[in-house]
Amino acid sequence: DTEVTQTPKHLVMGMTNKKSLKCEQHMGHRAMYWYKQKAKKPPELMFVYSYEKLSINESVPSRFSPECPNSSLLNLHLHALQPEDSALYLCASRREGSTNEKLFFGSGTQLSVL
Amino acid sequence: AQTVTQSQPEMSVQEAETVTLSCTYDTSESDYYLFWYKQPPSRQMILVIRQEAYKQQNATENRFSVNFQKAAKSFSLKISDSQLGDAAMYFCAYRSRGGNEKLTFGTGTRLTIIP
Repeated sequence: DTEVTQTPKHLVMGMTNKKSLKCEQHMGHRAMYWYKQKAKKPPELMFVYSYEKLSINESVPSRFSPECPNSSLLNLHLHALQPEDSALYLCASRREGSTNEKLFFGSGTQLSVL
Repeated sequence: AQTVTQSQPEMSVQEAETVTLSCTYDTSESDYYLFWYKQPPSRQMILVIRQEAYKQQNATENRFSVNFQKAAKSFSLKISDSQLGDAAMYFCAYRSRGGNEKLTFGTGTRLTIIP
């Protein structure tokens, strides 16, 4: 299994809603990432988890709350989002400590905030 | 801070021909990784090729090869025998070797394959 699976693929939410994005991998990777990608722009790093601990927060607003409940699962909890948060949210994973620097990406969740 | 520049927003190539995508970067570090990622309409970022800065030999992966010029801080991607499935957005990316997890992307080049 060499996949990173993200659900849902599409999400529409209002500014008062609470929703969660889910990311799962079964490759034994211990580094997991959330990226945000606006249309026609490159991905921007949001969070990095290393061995289930948050290691990097790129000054992301608190309305985005990451969670890594176990080594295979990464969540992104969303609350009180703004329309400008509409974007593609990509999850990625990497084998921590490996000389192979390859990131495996999921297909993303396309989020629309109304 | 490191920056990655892709000066070609769009490129097109005839099927079976060769195309080169440009990338330059700026860094004060001596040891790092460089990558080319491909993002097709499916939106999944797929690693095309990877280069370690301490290796002088240019990386190759089947029809894909790079021209890595460390002194010039240039990292171009050559795609030979272009195929329709190569149509995608291509991102050049940089990552420090020294433990910083951040992957810095360029702005991307949209490649169109003309049948």
